[in-house]
Amino acid sequence: SQTIHQWPATLVQPVGSPLSLECTVEGTSNPNLYWYRQAAGRGLQLLFYSVGIGQISSEVPQNLSASRPQDRQFILSSKKLLLSDSGFYLCAWSVQGGSYNEQFFGPGTRLTVL
Amino acid sequence: GESVGLHLPTLSVQEGDNSIINCAYSNSASDYFIWYKQESGKGPQFIIDIRSNMDKRQGQRVTVLLNKTVKHLSLQIAATQPGDSAVYFCAERWDYGQNFVFGPGTRLSVLP
Repeated sequence: SQTIHQWPATLVQPVGSPLSLECTVEGTSNPNLYWYRQAAGRGLQLLFYSVGIGQISSEVPQNLSASRPQDRQFILSSKKLLLSDSGFYLCAWSVQGGSYNEQFFGPGTRLTVL
Repeated sequence: GESVGLHLPTLSVQEGDNSIINCAYSNSASDYFIWYKQESGKGPQFIIDIRSNMDKRQGQRVTVLLNKTVKHLSLQIAATQPGDSAVYFCAERWDYGQNFVFGPGTRLSVLP
């Protein structure tokens, strides 16, 4: 069966510090991968998605970036965090190809920027 | 495709009653819809999906209704239980693409 991991689960970082969040998927090959941000009490905002190694599409211009160095690894980064980067970050995957494929979400990382 | 940043609407229901959670979607070309349940501090979990060529789909205790004329989606939960308390999101897939657009969510609170 497939599983998706995210770490860390919780992170508190000062403004201006760098960020690296990692997501890995097990049990599937060549998945679509996604990064979402969820502000407190709000819906999900798609940040990045990837259909393959090294292929990243950005949905929202910001000071975040994403990379996919391996097939089942997706990394969210920032060189300098802003207060507005606080939120709940969710990684998700879906089967590539096919017609109707749901997205499966990881447990999330709660980021607080102080 | 950005979710609207609004305070979450809340639906309070008595335990054992039926719940109906509504969602208005935005793109008439959306071909696939999903309902997710998100418990506090966790990632969203798949509940049920429906394709645009269907009007109704039933699962265990849940039913999704799709009205394409008015671009409306609803989730019905029968005999609501305390474990159903969570935030529920609808998601629409835009025109056979890879991405989903999520609604703002509705918080379901089950009263004893």
